[in-house]
Amino acid sequence: QKEVEQNSGPLSVPEGAIASLNCTYSDRGSQSFFWYRQYSGKSPELIMFIYSNGDKEDGRFTAQLNKASQYVSLLIRDSQPSDSATYLCAVTEDTGRRALTFGSGTRLQVQP
Amino acid sequence: DTEVTQTPKHLVMGMTNKKSLKCEQHMGHRAMYWYKQKAKKPPELMFVYSYEKLSINESVPSRFSPECPNSSLLNLHLHALQPEDSALYLCASSQGTGAPYEQYFGPGTRLTVT
Repeated sequence: QKEVEQNSGPLSVPEGAIASLNCTYSDRGSQSFFWYRQYSGKSPELIMFIYSNGDKEDGRFTAQLNKASQYVSLLIRDSQPSDSATYLCAVTEDTGRRALTFGSGTRLQVQP
Repeated sequence: DTEVTQTPKHLVMGMTNKKSLKCEQHMGHRAMYWYKQKAKKPPELMFVYSYEKLSINESVPSRFSPECPNSSLLNLHLHALQPEDSALYLCASSQGTGAPYEQYFGPGTRLTVT
């Protein structure tokens, strides 16, 4: 059973702080890693993807991947109230299947 | 442009009705997906189409019938649904089922079965 684990939260941070969201996965064959943001009642929006060990930065977002520890994280710098949402971690396995396996999501609250 | 469109936005149907959900993308993507999402749960994969052929069916009940008329369109035909089928139905697409793997979601159809 392939599993993707996230702390459900809520994770509460003050405006302007760094929010750190974490995700672990069970399948060592996982190849691709994604972070989606989902506002209440809306569909998931892809905000970051990472395929190689290390860090990947895009604006205020940094994704970090450590395949040896089976760990992927998302850092949000200068958090804004508009970042308040559920953040879903998703992985694909190392086969032709390429279907996303989602974690249960972490709810982030940015306090003004 | 990473736009996937879905119609209708909302749908209310009785258990004896037949209805269809529609999804469209014009990004040249060759893989399209249907997901179902219940409240406070992550999306669950239902079907995958790769190059217009059904490649994955996650043991979905036959009251859900997918169709891919061409590489830009994906339909989900609904018949004799149950109240527990009420959910947000999400369509997604990606360039293929090989690299790159990013999937982009449409806005979803909120389905209520009465």
